[in-house]
Amino acid sequence: EPEVTQTPSHQVTQMGQEVILRCVPISNHLYFYWYRQILGQKVEFLVSFYNNEISEKSEIFDDQFSVERPDGSNFTLKIRSTKLEDSAMYFCASTAGWSRSTDTQYFGPGTRLTVL
Amino acid sequence: QKEVEQNSGPLSVPEGAIASLNCTYSDRGSQSFFWYRQYSGKSPELIMFIYSNGDKEDGRFTAQLNKASQYVSLLIRDSQPSDSATYLCAVDAGNMLTFGGGTRLMVKP
Repeated sequence: EPEVTQTPSHQVTQMGQEVILRCVPISNHLYFYWYRQILGQKVEFLVSFYNNEISEKSEIFDDQFSVERPDGSNFTLKIRSTKLEDSAMYFCASTAGWSRSTDTQYFGPGTRLTVL
Repeated sequence: QKEVEQNSGPLSVPEGAIASLNCTYSDRGSQSFFWYRQYSGKSPELIMFIYSNGDKEDGRFTAQLNKASQYVSLLIRDSQPSDSATYLCAVDAGNMLTFGGGTRLMVKP
């Protein structure tokens, strides 16, 4: 069964460093998403991406965040200068489309980001 | 601000019983509703989705939607210890999902 994959599973970084989280969405999917979940809190939407551009972004997704689809398979989230409060689980998700029959989002296993 | 509310629990049920999980949402324009299961430290795993008022059954799971009351529920029949997890209600908010905080379910043998 096709699945979303993410690497690395765990990333430890120093405050102020740049990190890149990687995702490979399901191959025939067209919409891609990043969510985060701080320990013990809700899953929060960060950004959606379609046709090589951002469709929606939340207030969390400020100038230190960026997303990119550098090739036909990878989808990346970059955090330019990490802060302690960026420590969270980051989930990538994808969906085939945005109609009732295709809008189900499938989540990857997540990358746990720890900022020291 | 679009909100999705769930009782955090824990909801404790004996093995074999029916577990009933509830969710309310604020955006009356929402069209799609999802239930995800999340084990500790893992990613959300889709259980089922519902778009239309009424009930939708899939195996031991039944989702119920009442758009007039802005209410979604999930029933788990014949609950098993392996069903012990946090259940997340998610509502589409226009090309994104808004999640509730989840209800922790504990099924006791």
